[in-house]
Amino acid sequence: EVQLVESGGGLVQPGGSLRLSCAASGISFSTYWMSWFRQAPGKGLEWVANIKEDGSEKFYVDSVRGRFTISRDNAKNSLFLQMNSLRAEDTAVYYCARDLGSRRQQHSDPWGQGTLVTVSS
Amino acid sequence: QSVLTQPPSVSGAPGQRVTISCTGSSSNIGAGYNVHWYQQLPGTAPKLLIYDNTNRPSGVPDRFSGSKSGTSASLAITGLQAEDEADYYCQCYEPSLSAYIFGGGTEVSVL
Repeated sequence: EVQLVESGGGLVQPGGSLRLSCAASGISFSTYWMSWFRQAPGKGLEWVANIKEDGSEKFYVDSVRGRFTISRDNAKNSLFLQMNSLRAEDTAVYYCARDLGSRRQQHSDPWGQGTLVTVSS
Repeated sequence: QSVLTQPPSVSGAPGQRVTISCTGSSSNIGAGYNVHWYQQLPGTAPKLLIYDNTNRPSGVPDRFSGSKSGTSASLAITGLQAEDEADYYCQCYEPSLSAYIFGGGTEVSVL
């Protein structure tokens, strides 16, 4: 069974940093693109970033580009999201997910259970 | 405001058929980018429901079906059941943003 488990969320002050992790099991992790998504409290879904199988290509939504960095460690079946210069509007549940399909036509399945990031003073 | 437009809510009686529309534009859905649908039950993570416009992943009941025409897509639920109460989101790629985009979500209620 494919399983994705996020960790690293918590309360952080505006301007602070946080590093999220996503541990994958039950899949050949190194053969899939991976994504991060987020969902602000009571709001809809937003794609944040994704990364190619070997980490050579990375893409970001405009609102996080330059502040967030997606990375992966295929030897440890792990995905990461380094979040710097955090803002109140980054408050959300963050999900990792496996991407399937070709570039620009990808869908995501499965999703992890999510980890809550709260940016507040 | 989302680039993909969904109705905020739809409702139906048990056993009825409901549809959820997802309206895009000539730059995303109309340009041939596939539409995917996700179901989010209360308090849980999203789950893939329909991919590549019409395909159901293994384990998804055939009561759920997807279609696409022009700049819009639709999700239909036939034989509505109480367990179908959830939020449903459509997703597509928007090349002008170089990003995957979602509709605002539709809350399905079973009367």
